[in-house]
Amino acid sequence: QKEVEQNSGPLSVPEGAIASLNCTYSDRGSQSFFWYRQYSGKSPELIMSIYSNGDKEDGRFTAQLNKASQYVSLLIRDSQPSDSATYLCASGVQTGANNLFFGTGTRLTVIP
Amino acid sequence: SAVISQKPSRDICQRGTSLTIQCQVDSQVTMMFWYRQQPGQSLTLIATANQGSEATYESGFVIDKFPISRPNLTFSTLTVSNMSPEDSSIYLCSVRQGPYGYTFGSGTRLTVV
Repeated sequence: QKEVEQNSGPLSVPEGAIASLNCTYSDRGSQSFFWYRQYSGKSPELIMSIYSNGDKEDGRFTAQLNKASQYVSLLIRDSQPSDSATYLCASGVQTGANNLFFGTGTRLTVIP
Repeated sequence: SAVISQKPSRDICQRGTSLTIQCQVDSQVTMMFWYRQQPGQSLTLIATANQGSEATYESGFVIDKFPISRPNLTFSTLTVSNMSPEDSSIYLCSVRQGPYGYTFGSGTRLTVV
């Protein structure tokens, strides 16, 4: 069973602070990892992908991957109220069915 | 990235009826994925649809309940059959972009009464 686990939150941070979202996965065969943002009533939107150990930065977002610990995180710097959403962590394998396995999501609220 | 048009965006249906959801992609893709997102929960894969072959269903989902068509490389439908209130969910189609990226349609919010 491929499982992806997230702290469901809610996580509240003040505007301008760093929001830290965490995710663990059970399948050591997972090779690709994604963070999706989902606003209420909307479909998920890909914001970050990471495949190698270490950090990957894109603007205010930094994804971190530690395959030994089976741990993925997303840092949002200078958090804005528009970042308030549910963040879904997903893992995938490069071969086989190629589908994604999603965590239950962490609800983030950025307080102005 | 690919643009996926999904419709209907929402519907309210009577129990016992069926609803067909359509997804149209603006480029050819090998596989399309259908997900369900029940209220307050994450996404669960229903099935993977390949053009020219039968869909592959995940555990807990069967073809009689969720028949899928994939007539070409840009289009797929998912039918939710003999609906009950437990089928009230958001249904999403998704395609894989290149080696790793995945894009979702806008979703269909289904309410069964």
